[in-house]
Amino acid sequence: NAGVMQNPRHLVRRRGQEARLRCSPMKGHSHVYWYRQLPEEGLKFMVYLQKENIIDESGMPKERFSAEFPKEGPSILRIQQVVRGDSAAYFCASSPAGDTQYFGPGTRLTVL
Amino acid sequence: QQQVKQSPQSLIVQKGGISIINCAYENTAFDYFPWYQQFPGKGPALLIAIRPDVSEKKEGRFTISFNKSAKQFSLHIMDSQPGDSATYFCAAAFNAGNNRKLIWGLGTSLAVNP
Repeated sequence: NAGVMQNPRHLVRRRGQEARLRCSPMKGHSHVYWYRQLPEEGLKFMVYLQKENIIDESGMPKERFSAEFPKEGPSILRIQQVVRGDSAAYFCASSPAGDTQYFGPGTRLTVL
Repeated sequence: QQQVKQSPQSLIVQKGGISIINCAYENTAFDYFPWYQQFPGKGPALLIAIRPDVSEKKEGRFTISFNKSAKQFSLHIMDSQPGDSATYFCAAAFNAGNNRKLIWGLGTSLAVNP
């Protein structure tokens, strides 16, 4: 059973561009979580999704950020018009609807 | 209060020593307490977890001690090794409506000196 897959692992964008981060959950997992982590800091919850539904987006910035988890395909975290402050590691985790979350390796976003 | 307070922020331990990381909470609705380990450049990985019906859980060199009345739980790493150097996060889960929600501590950076 493959683990949580995230791609790309590293993403460089210029200010104003769009960033798309993809997450494929573990097989059989229908719950996906996105987190942001700045260097030397903790995990900041962003959004929790189930297939085709956003369950909790209380940690998502109101503007420029969106997330989806379609019926088919990976979950996508989309950041429009990126700014330097968006530079961070973005982690995706999946769960089979229990308490344990399994994390992917992360996508490191650098905004120039 | 949906917070989990973790301490210390950083910890240095000699090889062979005991590393102790503490977490405290207020919300009595929390019913699952996992610890995650994160190495630099990697995603967090579940290390060990406990439910409040037991006071201690041990897996190898890692032990969770849980004090329900004090609303505290701690991670003990016995015979700490340089390979244990990582960031450790405690968390607590509860039912939020029809869903489960996980609240995270801010992490402890552990360095084990050889």
